[in-house]
Amino acid sequence: QVQLQESGPGLVKPSETLSLTCTVSGGSVSSGSYYWSWIRQPPGKGLEWIGYLYYSGSTNYNPSLKSRVTISVDTSKNQFSLKLSSVTAADTAVYYCARDRGSSSSPLFDYWGQGTLVTVSS
Amino acid sequence: QSALTQPRSVSGSPGQSVTISCTGSSSDVGGYNYVSWYQQHPGKAPKLMIYDVNKRPSGVPDRFSGSKSGNTASLTISGLQAEDEADYYCCSYEGSYTFDYVFGTGTKVTVL
Repeated sequence: QVQLQESGPGLVKPSETLSLTCTVSGGSVSSGSYYWSWIRQPPGKGLEWIGYLYYSGSTNYNPSLKSRVTISVDTSKNQFSLKLSSVTAADTAVYYCARDRGSSSSPLFDYWGQGTLVTVSS
Repeated sequence: QSALTQPRSVSGSPGQSVTISCTGSSSDVGGYNYVSWYQQHPGKAPKLMIYDVNKRPSGVPDRFSGSKSGNTASLTISGLQAEDEADYYCCSYEGSYTFDYVFGTGTKVTVL
């Protein structure tokens, strides 16, 4: 059974960088069959796709966040990570990592982490 | 990149059918058969219910079905049950300008 678990600070100061890690168990981030995504949800609001990474290291980001986002992979630890720079209160959200078993054009998020709330506040 | 448009809420009695629409454009919903639907209960992670417009993952009841006409995709829940009360989100590939994924605004389904 595939499981994903987000980890990282729950509180980040404005203008600093948000850093989260997703640890994958029961499957491999090195598998060429999947893409690995980050998705967020501000409190009481809808879902927003942040970006995905393929095991080869190729990435695709939401254009509205592209200048601030980096998604990377650590195959030795079976993890992938999210960095979001210059955060503001608008970046306060529950952040989910998810496995996408579709192609690079088919959103098919079949496994999700439980989500982690990140609050941006001084 | 604008979110796909969904009704804010829909409701139905147990046993009835409800349909949730998801409206986009020819650049996303209308241009590709790459629409998925997710169910989210309060405080929980979303769950995949439909992918590629009308395909159901293993384990999802056949009460859930998907379709598409033009720039609008739809999720129909037949034989509504109490446990179907949740938020539902559509998601589509955008392949003309940004080449990424866009979610819908979300719909709250209430079982009366």
